[in-house]
Amino acid sequence: GNSVTQMEGPVTLSEEAFLTINCTYTATGYPSLFWYVQYPGEGLQLLLKATKADDKGSNKGFEATYRKETTSFHLEKGSVQVSDSAVYFCALRKSSNTGKLIFGQGTTLQVKP
Amino acid sequence: NAGVTQTPKFQVLKTGQSMTLQCAQDMNHNSMYWYRQDPGMGLRLIYYSASEGTTDKGEVPNGYNVSRLNKREFSLRLESAAPSQTSVYFCASSVTGQMIRDEQFFGPGTRLTVL
Repeated sequence: GNSVTQMEGPVTLSEEAFLTINCTYTATGYPSLFWYVQYPGEGLQLLLKATKADDKGSNKGFEATYRKETTSFHLEKGSVQVSDSAVYFCALRKSSNTGKLIFGQGTTLQVKP
Repeated sequence: NAGVTQTPKFQVLKTGQSMTLQCAQDMNHNSMYWYRQDPGMGLRLIYYSASEGTTDKGEVPNGYNVSRLNKREFSLRLESAAPSQTSVYFCASSVTGQMIRDEQFFGPGTRLTVL
């Protein structure tokens, strides 16, 4: 079946450190891939997305590249800030279904000053 | 625009009680979704509505019913609440359910506790 696996958290970093959150997926066909962010007490917000192989999604200093050969979509940021502390969800959306998203379990990021 | 709104924000129920979670969107979206979020499990789809007048089961529909009241509103009902339904519930909407590029917009969530 279709699934998304993220690295377990929490991830704790100091401000200005480099961030990588790993995400791998299993799916048939050519899904779209997404990163959502959930700040404390809020709903999910789309952070970035990629719709085909080798696409790079980017937003707010975050980047992720759709790697079909390794079925991965790792999230990276060169220099994290305290305000980036949140839960990050990787998700896929199959090309053949009616819009349903399949989420990973989420990774909590804590950035300390 | 308010986006996606949900009521209530918090609710405590006793086992066996019923309640309805309300969701509304003002973006003229066709598709709407209900998810539940449990620790360590990400979000799981309960029900969705690809368009007004249609609803379909998602991954975890047991114990829930939904109503797509009109294009704007999509409610989730617990007929007889159980402690296993303690969770945070999110409503979402998207322009259509057919384009894989479509972004889903999420509401702020309802935190439900069943005692």
